[in-house]
Amino acid sequence: GAVVSQHPSRVICKSGTSVKIECRSLDFQATTMFWYRQFPKQSLMLMATSNEGSKATYEQGVEKDKFLINHASLTLSTLTVTSAHPEDSSFYICSASRQGATYNEQFFGPGTRLTVL
Amino acid sequence: QKEVEQNSGPLSVPEGAIASLNCTYSDRGSQSFFWYRQYSGKSPELIMSIYSNGDKEDGRFTAQLNKASQYVSLLIRDSQPSDSATYLCAVAWGGTASKLTFGTGTRLQVTL
Repeated sequence: GAVVSQHPSRVICKSGTSVKIECRSLDFQATTMFWYRQFPKQSLMLMATSNEGSKATYEQGVEKDKFLINHASLTLSTLTVTSAHPEDSSFYICSASRQGATYNEQFFGPGTRLTVL
Repeated sequence: QKEVEQNSGPLSVPEGAIASLNCTYSDRGSQSFFWYRQYSGKSPELIMSIYSNGDKEDGRFTAQLNKASQYVSLLIRDSQPSDSATYLCAVAWGGTASKLTFGTGTRLQVTL
């Protein structure tokens, strides 16, 4: 159990386009989903926390108008990188916490590697 | 500022040996502690979670927590080359679905 999927796994786009990344919890309902970004040889950086049906909470320094998050259901959250630029190229990873869990393990999706040309 | 610190390594151990990975955290209010394994180019995979002082064993892995010393460790027995990865320590301060703060990770190399 506790499987999280992400789609797409890899995307290459031109500068100025928008890219949508989907995160799904496949075998559990996720109270909360988290979006991270990881640059090469660096640790995970939390971008935002999203709860189903409410607005996402963004970390300091993360532009909410650039990184749009929608958490439409207890099994689906999406991250849209709007007007992407080369500096947005990174490894984007989502995670999910299981609804009703006593503790707060986060289960990670496989990640999406974004390359902006 | 809540901080989680790990030695970046690399930690090199021979195959079959015990690998010992360490992590310290800054806030005494921390409630939950996790070890994730991350292979190069992949996302993190949860391997251990611990919430109470003492040891918790799962197969070849043992997590140790000492809240008084603000210290959590991971022991890997009978290390295998497939254990070569970066190990991330993560700490949560709040209740269910709270944020995790990650250390920068320790790179483990298991040599033949």
